[in-house]
Amino acid sequence: QTVVTQEPSISVSPGGTVTLTCGLSSGSVSTSSHPSWYQQTPGQAPRTLIYSTYIRSSGVPDRFSGSLLGNKAALTITGAQADDESDYYCVLYMGSGISVFGGGTKLTVL
Amino acid sequence: QLQLQESGPGLVKFSETLSLTCTVSGGSIARSFYHWGWIRQPPGKGLEWIGSIYFSGSTNFSNPSLMSRVTISVDTSKNQFSLRLSSVTAADSAVYYCARSAGGATYFDYWGPGSLVTVSS
Repeated sequence: QTVVTQEPSISVSPGGTVTLTCGLSSGSVSTSSHPSWYQQTPGQAPRTLIYSTYIRSSGVPDRFSGSLLGNKAALTITGAQADDESDYYCVLYMGSGISVFGGGTKLTVL
Repeated sequence: QLQLQESGPGLVKFSETLSLTCTVSGGSIARSFYHWGWIRQPPGKGLEWIGSIYFSGSTNFSNPSLMSRVTISVDTSKNQFSLRLSSVTAADSAVYYCARSAGGATYFDYWGPGSLVTVSS
């Protein structure tokens, strides 16, 4: 079964830039994987940040950006703020209506 | 503004069937190009996509082991879709989210607030 990989945890200093990645246990991520990114704070439903690799969801600040980095999808936060401290999940589309979540990255801002 | 709301029992007994309904408001569930899905999150763990349904009734599911226990159905007259998970165990205890899937079912754009379901022994 395909596994979607993410860093378990990452830390960033306030005002700094951080990149989270999303890969496949076997193969490369491309635009045809339609990578999407979600932010989740404790006790809350996920919030959609990025879809179709690059497109920011409505209301998402432009300091969040999506891209492809090598053979992975990437979420970059530029000018990290304290309230960016959350769990971040990527989703890759496998075709035939099937999506797979990554294990999530816990981002600490300190 | 589209809104989704999960409803159902918060406690289910071991080996019985978990049933949840998602009520969609602010838009029709029968709109073309959108799928309607279920995602769950065990306490302290990550998100897991369970499966999704199109208003026509066509379904897609995640891993085969879960698929054998899952039924997802849609009721367009009530603007609702539902999840049934049979033979539950403690491992099925989780927050269950319903969500709309857009872009040809490639991403989730609207989410319900989630419903905690605990399996009791």
